[in-house]
Amino acid sequence: AQKITQTQPGMFVQEKEAVTLDCTYDTSDPSYGLFWYKQPSSGEMIFLIYQGSYDQQNATEGRYSLNFQKARKSANLVISASQLGDSAMYFCAMRVWPAGTALIFGKGTTLSVSS
Amino acid sequence: NAGVTQTPKFQVLKTGQSMTLQCAQDMNHNSMYWYRQDPGMGLRLIYYSASEGTTDKGEVPNGYNVSRLNKREFSLRLESAAPSQTSVYFCASSEGGGTLVAFFGQGTRLTVV
Repeated sequence: AQKITQTQPGMFVQEKEAVTLDCTYDTSDPSYGLFWYKQPSSGEMIFLIYQGSYDQQNATEGRYSLNFQKARKSANLVISASQLGDSAMYFCAMRVWPAGTALIFGKGTTLSVSS
Repeated sequence: NAGVTQTPKFQVLKTGQSMTLQCAQDMNHNSMYWYRQDPGMGLRLIYYSASEGTTDKGEVPNGYNVSRLNKREFSLRLESAAPSQTSVYFCASSEGGGTLVAFFGQGTRLTVV
């Protein structure tokens, strides 16, 4: 069965520092995709970054990068130079091909950025 | 630039009442989903529709029914609401191929008393 595990309920970081949010996944399928979403206090779900299982390089999107370690089945999100606006809940998710098209989510990590 | 639109945004129901949550997307996506979010549980899949005319159960389908009315619209119905269905409900959609990034609606906060 597919599963996403986020072991950090809460993380605290100061502005301008980098922070890593952990995510491990479990699947026996060779084809899958890994996603990170941000949920600010307003409640909407915002897509941040995607990594495919066959991608050779780690994905990057601006200040976000995904540290993909396939052998360890980890897909950690790295946020560089944290900003106050990064305070939010962050969800790691996975989609497996061809078994289904729905995303499976972890329980999330709350990130608090202080000045 | 609407994306995924859910209605209503807030709803209070009495136990035993029924209601339908509406969802529409304007991105021409094939796949649509309904999730519920509870504190400490992340998002759990209720039902999904991989394409128009098909629906499948997710992780927590009990107490819900869905209708894929057309390619744009996917509704979620609670036939007899229970307090355990108090939650935030999200509708999402994605393309049928490629990375399958899912785009979410704003959510519906439902309280069953």
